[in-house]
Amino acid sequence: DGGITQSPKYLFRKEGQNVTLSCEQNLNHDAMYWYRQDPGQGLRLIYYSQIVNDFQKGDIAEGYSVSREKKESFPLTVTSAQKNPTAFYLCASSSPLTTNEKLFFGSGTQLSVL
Amino acid sequence: GQQLNQSPQSMFIQEGEDVSMNCTSSSIFNTWLWYKQDPGEGPVLLIALYKAGELTSNGRLTAQFGITRKDSFLNISASIPSDVGIYFCAGGWSGGGADGLTFGKGTHLIIQP
Repeated sequence: DGGITQSPKYLFRKEGQNVTLSCEQNLNHDAMYWYRQDPGQGLRLIYYSQIVNDFQKGDIAEGYSVSREKKESFPLTVTSAQKNPTAFYLCASSSPLTTNEKLFFGSGTQLSVL
Repeated sequence: GQQLNQSPQSMFIQEGEDVSMNCTSSSIFNTWLWYKQDPGEGPVLLIALYKAGELTSNGRLTAQFGITRKDSFLNISASIPSDVGIYFCAGGWSGGGADGLTFGKGTHLIIQP
């Protein structure tokens, strides 16, 4: 089945530790995105990539880093510089920049601080 | 980024009732997307709208793209227990990339048996 796979489903981070969230898609989408979701809030864009080996900061990029070495993969690293990392993280992808754009989401990763 | 005004924030209804929710913006959009999110899961796309005045249905769900291009509405008819969840709207510009999408804060739908 085509889709977006996020792993792990739950992740715990210790103080001062970097953790990496995985996102893989087999939809052949060019663009991929990372969002952060806090309870009762809308989705906030962390980073996005419209093409391999290129990515752009979103609204809340501080304390996060990404890479896009393959079209299918867009991992997100939550660094120790992110002082409030507890949140639900959503990866998404969309078809190329054409009309009738649609955004599809993975099932999310819940990150908590120990 | 800009936030959409999505209302109501939550709804408590009886099974079988109809549901209406909406999103408004101070900016014009040419794309409106409606999503449903179950607890602990990612949002699932319900309906996509690309033309002002467009009315689109998906089963018991009907969504409309407001004629002013600054608002959109989602209606659910004859609600059932599996309709419970959080409904999000998103406005954007088709061709502008999903980085240009703005999301509402969601409407939490709760159905009382």
